[in-house]
Amino acid sequence: QQQVKQSPQSLIVQKGGISIINCAYENTAFDYFPWYQQFPGKGPALLIAIRPDVSEKKEGRFTISFNKSAKQFSLHIMDSQPGDSATYFCAASPVVAAGNKLTFGGGTRVLVKP
Amino acid sequence: AAGVIQSPRHLIKEKRETATLKCYPIPRHDTVYWYQQGPGQDPQFLISFYEKMQSDKGSIPDRFSAQQFSDYHSELNMSSLELGDSALYFCASSIRRDSYNNEQFFGPGTRLTVL
Repeated sequence: QQQVKQSPQSLIVQKGGISIINCAYENTAFDYFPWYQQFPGKGPALLIAIRPDVSEKKEGRFTISFNKSAKQFSLHIMDSQPGDSATYFCAASPVVAAGNKLTFGGGTRVLVKP
Repeated sequence: AAGVIQSPRHLIKEKRETATLKCYPIPRHDTVYWYQQGPGQDPQFLISFYEKMQSDKGSIPDRFSAQQFSDYHSELNMSSLELGDSALYFCASSIRRDSYNNEQFFGPGTRLTVL
């Protein structure tokens, strides 16, 4: 049972367009929600993260929107560039629980066409 | 900035052999996590350590064991390897004392191939 559900599985966007990836979670103990970017054969790289006390966080071209009541959060990539072509994972964890393990969504493969 | 170091980067083993993966966390990071990522899949949590003590345990087979040493580096020991153990193994590290966030920084991974 996937505790964090991510959609879509893949996404094609034109250069300059907006990429939108959505995630939903079940576990109400989750209170830390990061997004990771992964290139083939590389380790996941932390992009941006949010806590439930804010509804939106923006860093450069990346924005997280968070809806606590709906238990959903999303990543928006503005002005998408070919270099953004990668797999994006949302994740969630409780902050204070032992180990603070990350539970990942299934990933979204993004392809930005020039 | 220093990153998480993993060694070896690639490892090829035969079935039923053993393997040891090493992880060196970012300096001053006190928590280490191990994740396994199969082809086209998301990373799956295996085990974590905080201050040399096991902190949490996920879907780690009994054939696997791990520990964290006094210098905070960690080793994942895998015995009786099976074909299904072929995957990318990532180590991540974080500062547990930063209780507001749970920023985990991943290493480049070890690609294990079991033949």
